[in-house]
Amino acid sequence: DADVTQTPRNRITKTGKRIMLECSQTKGHDRMYWYRQDPGLGLQLIYYSFDVKDINKGEISDGYSVSRQAQAKFSLSLESAIPNQTALYFCATSDPGKETQYFGPGTRLLVL
Amino acid sequence: QKEVEQNSGPLSVPEGAIASLNCTYSDRVSQSFFWYRQYSGKSPELIMSIYSNGDKEDGRFTAQLNKASQYVSLLIRDSQPSDSATYLCAVLPGGSNYKLTFGKGTLLTVNP
Repeated sequence: DADVTQTPRNRITKTGKRIMLECSQTKGHDRMYWYRQDPGLGLQLIYYSFDVKDINKGEISDGYSVSRQAQAKFSLSLESAIPNQTALYFCATSDPGKETQYFGPGTRLLVL
Repeated sequence: QKEVEQNSGPLSVPEGAIASLNCTYSDRVSQSFFWYRQYSGKSPELIMSIYSNGDKEDGRFTAQLNKASQYVSLLIRDSQPSDSATYLCAVLPGGSNYKLTFGKGTLLTVNP
């Protein structure tokens, strides 16, 4: 089984809809991250969490919110989806003191 | 703004040749450096990490770090068509509290 899983893997939604992307991990890592990737723009950090009670904004948090339900679960919400949020979204985890990040398989989101 | 720059490519090399991928970074006190490989539509996977000046070899891959020049590179020897992917350079800036900064990636194509 994969160490970092994301659901759904693909999602099509309409402008104005609220959607949630979920991330779960079995690696036992405290730190979790949400990134979006657009063609030619690399990975941009949306939010990150260093433990259940610690949530921080990344470079592009506007229009997004997150919830850290447990050490193993970190969810990303789009409160009112818009077309320019169409992108590939990745969840990642890391261990304190070790900088290596491990990525989930990604969620491909299309907002019409 | 702490930046990581990569040539976007595409870099095209024949099978069996050496592929050289380059990355520069702006934060002089950066601590750790990573190379990730990303196949189209897939998640990034870690290939190499390097922390000290000099070379680090792992199989066909060699990472080179020169902190004075703020430069890190990845050499792929005996390139194979399966090496065709986008290579992301990631840097841990000084004092970043484990937030990696990613370059936009270099697309490598290995021609049979």
